[in-house]
Amino acid sequence: ELKVEQNPLFLSMQEGKNYTIYCNYSTTSDRLYWYRQDPGKSLESLFVLLSNGAVKQEGRLMASLDTKARLSTLHITAAVHDLSATYFCAVTFSTSGTYKYIFGTGTRLKVLA
Amino acid sequence: EPEVTQTPSHQVTQMGQEVILRCVPISNHLYFYWYRQILGQKVEFLVSFYNNEISEKSEIFDDQFSVERPDGSNFTLKIRSTKLEDSAMYFCASSDLEVAGGKNIQYFGAGTRLSVL
Repeated sequence: ELKVEQNPLFLSMQEGKNYTIYCNYSTTSDRLYWYRQDPGKSLESLFVLLSNGAVKQEGRLMASLDTKARLSTLHITAAVHDLSATYFCAVTFSTSGTYKYIFGTGTRLKVLA
Repeated sequence: EPEVTQTPSHQVTQMGQEVILRCVPISNHLYFYWYRQILGQKVEFLVSFYNNEISEKSEIFDDQFSVERPDGSNFTLKIRSTKLEDSAMYFCASSDLEVAGGKNIQYFGAGTRLSVL
């Protein structure tokens, strides 16, 4: 069974602190995505990671990928309140040249002032 | 900036009724997707569509679901006989490229909230 697991599910952190969200997946994947979702809103693409060792950074967020461990991390540096949202990772699985997309359970982040 | 638009934003229907959710993907995109998200839960892939046919579908996408691109701009999801458990947010997405090694960034619409009573 294809599984994508995130932890933690909920994260409450103080402004200015650092933290990491983890995304594990169960089988080989071509691509790994990170999305942000604000309450009642749609999904915003943050990062696409394609290869082992890939690292992408945007502002206070940095995503990395270890394909051997089937693990991606989303690191938050010096959190600010505006980062409060739910973060999803998603992976693609290729079947005969077409792709299925499996999302993780999501991590609900709340940054406290 | 180009965006994916979905209508209606909220659809209320009676159990057993048919509903059609509409999406206008970004104009030069070729790949289209439907996802659903039950309240408070994760996003689930339903179906992908390319070149006027389904590319891939999940186990959720059973015979009560169908997709269509009736003209050059719209992409629709039809649920033939809605059930209570179909209540969810349905997101449409589109992308311009889906190849091995490519980024395939998907742009999501704002979603349609379907409430089945």
